[in-house]
Formats: sequence, C-alpha cells, structure tokens
Amino acid sequence: QVQLQESGPGLVKPSETLSLTCAVSGYSISSGYYWGWIRQPPGKGLEWIGSIYHSGSTYYNPSLKSRVTISVDTSKNQFSLKLSSVTAADTAVYYCARLIPPAYFDYWGQGTLVTVSS
Amino acid sequence: EIVMTQSPATLSVSPGERATLSCRASQSVSSNLAWYQQKPGQAPRLLIYGASTRATGIPARFSGSGSGTEFTLTISSLQSEDFAVYYCQQYNNWPPVTFGQGTRLEIK
Repeated sequence: QVQLQESGPGLVKPSETLSLTCAVSGYSISSGYYWGWIRQPPGKGLEWIGSIYHSGSTYYNPSLKSRVTISVDTSKNQFSLKLSSVTAADTAVYYCARLIPPAYFDYWGQGTLVTVSS
Repeated sequence: EIVMTQSPATLSVSPGERATLSCRASQSVSSNLAWYQQKPGQAPRLLIYGASTRATGIPARFSGSGSGTEFTLTISSLQSEDFAVYYCQQYNNWPPVTFGQGTRLEIK
C-alpha cells in the first residue's frame, strides 16, 4: 500500500520560505510516476502547485512558478516543496500526492496545515 | 489555462435517491477528467478517471460520463457516507492541471 506523509513547520512568517517534505512508503519513487503538491486554502478548493519525476524533471503551476521549487531525494524516498516570499494568501492545507499518467492523483497524503502569520 | 466549472455549488438529496453532479470545461479535455470525493478533515479520494473508469475499490453506485467539455458524476442510491464535497479535475492540457471549485452534496 502506497502511503505519503507530509512534514514541516505549521507556522511560517510572511516573506519567508515555506518548506515541506513528503515521505513515501510502499513504493519506490525511483520506479517511476510523477509526484506532486496540491494546496487547499481553508474552506476553498484545490490548487495544483507542481510535480516532479524521479529524474528531477519538474512542472510548475504558472501562477506560482516564480516562487516554487520542488526537488526529489530518491535515496530517502521523499520529495520536497519550497515556496518563497509567502504571504497570508499562502495559508492552506498542503497535500502531496502521486500522479498517474497522464496526470490524475491516486494516492494522497493526509495533508498539513501551514499558516502564514507573524 | 482550462477553467473547470462545477454545478450546482450545493446539492441537497435524500438518502437512497440519485445525485447528479456536473462539470464543464472551458475547452475540450477529451476524456481526461477525474472526479474526487473529499470529506471534512480528509484528503481527496480518487473516484473516477478517464471520465468514466472507477478507481480501485470505488462502489458501482458511482459512475462518470461525458467527454469534450461536459461531464457528469452520478451517484445512484445515496448512502450516508456519500455526503461530501466532490471535485472534478482536468489533465488533458497540463501544466497546469486544474480543478473545479467543488460541489457540496448534503443531506436533504
């Protein structure tokens, strides 16, 4: 059974960088598939942030591209998200998920709430 | 970017009845559409992909149809555990993948 678990600070100050990691178990990232990040502001809908292949190839949402970096560490079987220059609008539950080609999400982490506040 | 529009925003249906949820794309997405169910405090769960293929373990009362720009998720004979928020997502033309704003299915 594939499982994903997000981890990282729950509180980030405005203008700083949000950093999250997604640990994958039950499947080796090196075996394939894309892996992605999706966020959901409180009470709102879902927004795709970006995705990464095990080789390191990435795709980002154009609306966030200038602030987003997604990386992968196959030795630890995990991938990470960095979102820079955060504001209150970046407050959301952040999910990591596996993408099945062409690009829908079959396994999701439980999500982690990140609040941007001073 | 392809915009996905779901209707209605809220749907009130009695247990045992049928629910029909709609999703419209701003341009054709062929059959590259998925549906997800999300319950409070939980991650979304994949229900349907390829517009009409049920994901593993999804009950047969969930069915998807449509292609191009118009899609429907039908839940026959609603069970208590089906009351949740449902999202459609296109993946025909990405990046970015885009989601609809969701339909809340509530008990009437």
